[in-house]
Amino acid sequence: DVKVTQSSRYLVKRTGEKVFLECVQDMDHENMFWYRQDPGLGLRLIYFSYDVKMKEKGDIPEGYSVSREKKERFSLILESASTNQTSMYLCASWTGTSLSYEQYFGPGTRLTVT
Amino acid sequence: QQPVQSPQAVILREGEDAVINCSSSKALYSVHWYRQKHGEAPVFLMILLKGGEQKGHEKISASFNEKKQQSSLYLTASQLSYSGTYFCGSGGYQKVTFGIGTKLQVIP
Repeated sequence: DVKVTQSSRYLVKRTGEKVFLECVQDMDHENMFWYRQDPGLGLRLIYFSYDVKMKEKGDIPEGYSVSREKKERFSLILESASTNQTSMYLCASWTGTSLSYEQYFGPGTRLTVT
Repeated sequence: QQPVQSPQAVILREGEDAVINCSSSKALYSVHWYRQKHGEAPVFLMILLKGGEQKGHEKISASFNEKKQQSSLYLTASQLSYSGTYFCGSGGYQKVTFGIGTKLQVIP
């Protein structure tokens, strides 16, 4: 019943390191998203992708980049990790038409940057 | 601009009803509702589109007032399993902006 998986549940990195977070979905969804979730701020969209090799900035893209080389995989890259990027990172995928809509989140990666 | 949810928190006894409101200062094309239990990922409940509403799960339904740019989530005859944080998301199909959430606790 696995739908969206993320490469790590917990990750600890040092300031300045390059960090890769991977997300894989097995539902053939076109759209994939990366969010971060912080107490008091809710879920905030970092980047999304509506097709292979396509990407769009969300509300807080600074300090992040993404890659989508295959339909099922969407990677989030922290070019040079900073302490203010300590957060819970959630990946999601969705597909929808006027008749139906489905969206699933991955379990999340709790990243700590020290 | 994040949608505003109210109330911020609510405690219910099993069997009671609750309403969670979501309002936006921007025009809404769709409203999404999610529930997140502590330590788990959010679960999509339903989407409401302009010109219609969609019922998602069990005894949970929602309405969407496009003119007022508001949506309400209705939980009837609440069960212990309804406990969690409920988020609304507003905006277009892809770039959804989420509210901070409403913490709902159902007690026996």
